Amino acid sequence: ETGVTQSPTHLIKTRGQQVTLRCSSQSGHNTVSWYQQALGQGPQFIFQYYREEENGRGNFPPRFSGLQFPNYSSELNVNALELDDSALYLCASSLAGDSSYNEQFFGPGTRLTVL
Amino acid sequence: GENVEQHPSTLSVQEGDSAVIKCTYSDSASNYFPWYKQELGKGPQLIIDIRSNVGEKKDQRIAVTLNKTAKHFSLHITETQPEDSAVYFCAAVYTGGFKTIFGAGTRLFVKA
Repeated sequence: ETGVTQSPTHLIKTRGQQVTLRCSSQSGHNTVSWYQQALGQGPQFIFQYYREEENGRGNFPPRFSGLQFPNYSSELNVNALELDDSALYLCASSLAGDSSYNEQFFGPGTRLTVL
Repeated sequence: GENVEQHPSTLSVQEGDSAVIKCTYSDSASNYFPWYKQELGKGPQLIIDIRSNVGEKKDQRIAVTLNKTAKHFSLHITETQPEDSAVYFCAAVYTGGFKTIFGAGTRLFVKA
């Protein structure tokens, strides 16, 4: 069973640029959630994708967008990068079913630095 | 709005002692409460969870309690070991399971 993987591991961008982060979910999982974790803080929910549709969103502006593909892998896109976007971006996959609560398996994250 | 408060932010214990981390959530719509351990350079890893219809759950040295009336839940680690040193996060998941709200984290140091 393959765990959640993310790429790249580290990324440096400048303010105003755009970035795409990628996540491969754990085998058999159909749901992906993205989180932003600033240094010394807890992860903040960005959004969740279920069967290629956005299933819920946290308090993040529209310049944060995502995609989920038929193989359930996912991308997080951030436009017009700001300095405050510097953080660890985590994705987590789970298997949505009849139960509303399913264990999320997190990837190692992508460390984004905006200069 | 939805919020999870976590205390303490830092906790230092001697090996073999117990550690307790406490959390409070704001929205009564929360009904699933996972706890995560995050080691340096890694993503959070689920260590134990509790659902709203249960008051207590134990797994070896780790236990979690939930008081729905007071909106409090706590993590108890007994017989701590140096490898327990990490950052621990509590979280509350809202009905439907699509949104997880994390606490700010507790950095646990276990001194040998």
